[in-house]
Amino acid sequence: AQKVTQAQTEISVVEKEDVTLDCVYETRDTTYYLFWYKQPPSGELVFLIRRNSFDEQNEISGRYSWNFQKSTSSFNFTITASQVVDSAVYFCALRKPNTGNQFYFGTGTSLTVIP
Amino acid sequence: DTEVTQTPKHLVMGMTNKKSLKCEQHMGHRAMYWYKQKAKKPPELMFVYSYEKLSINESVPSRFSPECPNSSLLNLHLHALQPEDSALYLCASSHPYGANVLTFGAGSRLTVL
Repeated sequence: AQKVTQAQTEISVVEKEDVTLDCVYETRDTTYYLFWYKQPPSGELVFLIRRNSFDEQNEISGRYSWNFQKSTSSFNFTITASQVVDSAVYFCALRKPNTGNQFYFGTGTSLTVIP
Repeated sequence: DTEVTQTPKHLVMGMTNKKSLKCEQHMGHRAMYWYKQKAKKPPELMFVYSYEKLSINESVPSRFSPECPNSSLLNLHLHALQPEDSALYLCASSHPYGANVLTFGAGSRLTVL
């Protein structure tokens, strides 16, 4: 069975602090895909990043960075120098290929950046 | 502008009403999805259409009836809903296979009185 755990339900940081959102997943498959989505108060889920199980190269995109560690089944997300606009709920998700298009979402982490 | 358009943005209906939620995309995606999201919860998958055919129904009550008239449109027909069905209903689309990203609409916020 697939499972995605985001142990942090709510995080508050002061603007310009760095913050890391944790994601741990469970799957028996060797091929799978991991995603991060952001959901601001407006409601729309916005895609941030995708990683496949064969690509453990970490990535930096502006103030965002992702750390994929297959050995610990983790796919953590760091925001550097946080801004008020980063306040949102962040979802980690897992997808297996050819499963009828099911995404398994984590429970989400609500991030509040205090000015 | 979002590439997946959902209408209406807000809907209030009584338990005896019949209404529909609509979703449209023009990205050439051949998989379309309905998700239901309650406050402070992750999206829950309801239905998936692949190539205009229903491929997944996550045991959704029959008072929710999906329809995919063509590859760009997805509807969710609502009838005899309950107050607990009040939620944000999200539509998404993607290419059907592989590591495909779901592109979401902004959602339709439904209140059932």
